[in-house]
Order: sequence, then C-alpha cells, then structure tokens
Amino acid sequence: ETGVTQTPRHLVMGMTNKKSLKCEQHLGHNAMYWYKQSAKKPLELMFVYSLEERVENNSVPSRFSPECPNSSHLFLHLHTLQPEDSALYLCASSQVFKVYEQYFGPGTRLTVT
Amino acid sequence: AQSVTQLGSHVSVSEGALVLLRCNYSSSVPPYLFWYVQYPNQGLQLLLKYTTGATLVKGINGFEAEFKKSETSFHLTKPSAHMSDAAEYFCAVIPRPGYALNFGKGTSLLVTP
Repeated sequence: ETGVTQTPRHLVMGMTNKKSLKCEQHLGHNAMYWYKQSAKKPLELMFVYSLEERVENNSVPSRFSPECPNSSHLFLHLHTLQPEDSALYLCASSQVFKVYEQYFGPGTRLTVT
Repeated sequence: AQSVTQLGSHVSVSEGALVLLRCNYSSSVPPYLFWYVQYPNQGLQLLLKYTTGATLVKGINGFEAEFKKSETSFHLTKPSAHMSDAAEYFCAVIPRPGYALNFGKGTSLLVTP
C-alpha cells in the first residue's frame, strides 16, 4: 500500500451504533488530519494531530472522537450520530514542517440512517 | 479568518477550449495557496501550490495558476481541456502562520465533446 488509505470506503450506520473509521499513511509523515466533506459546503477541518498530539479541534461534537495511536494511524470513533453527520470523511497527512503539502486518502462515505 | 471564494459552482467547457476556474481569497497577508482536484469517488489530489517565489505556478496535467496579490486571486487555467479533466476543483489557503487548509466550496468542471 502506498500513500494514504482509509477503511472502510463506505459505511452505513444507525443512530445508536458505534463504529470507527481508520486511516493509515505510508508516507513517513508525522501530522494527520480529519476533514468532513458535506454536500454544498466547503470541506471542514475537524481534527489535527501533530506528532501524535491533538493540536486542533474545531468545535466538533463529542459524538466524534479521534484517536492517534502512532504517527501512521488515525481513527475516528463514531457514536450516536445524527443523519446530518452523513458525509464524506477525508483523512490527510503531512510533515509537521510542511503543512502546505497534505496528502489525502480516498475518504469514507458515511450514511447515518 | 481566511475565506476562499470560488466563482461559479459549475463550469462547462468544450473539449479543446480554455479552462478558467476562479479563486479569490481574503487576507491581509498572502497565504499559501492551493488547487486540489477530486475525481468521482476519490480523495483530493494536489494540482499545484504557491508558497513563495514565482507567481506563475505550473502543476500536473497541464494546469497552471497565477498568484496576483493586487487582486487577491489565484485563478486556475489550462489551455486546452480534455474529457479527463471533468472533476471537482477546490481552491484552498493556509494562513501564515497556520496549518489548517481552508477550502472554497468547489467548482464542478464539465467537459463536453
């Protein structure tokens, strides 16, 4: 595998379910990001991890919980989501000192029913 | 806060015609500037970026963009459109200093035969 991978690519979940999105980067980067892409809206930055520490949390509801166990992996844990949380969730990575070169994964298409 | 405006949510061009996608930003200090492309069911791919130096930036697939400070613009162009250029294009900025990509709403490019 090369670049940034995300699993699953598609996920359908009910509002009471608990699920996790996984992101893995194979680029030797040390910063990772979660973005949300909703229809008709600009991409929104959700979380930033730099050297495995969270440095940004853009007022994201607590039903989204990120985890970065090491510099190569990033998770987004989901619980009691709402239908408006349905979106494409994109993961990206970069070097800490090259935040202007972010590489994106293909995304997870999440549908909350 | 930084904002990015992409004029026109949909642009249609004929194959072989000039492609022009517009992007303006609001900032008193020139940010880092980017264009990303997103093909259906894929993540974002970096087309080109401006950080410092020459204001005319060349990217992949024959695209280029020119940073014009006086106009706070970073329009994307390609002399001759191909069918394979049909995709969603996003302009983005990172403020200086900063690390979060702020995206425009995107422009969907349609290329007709």
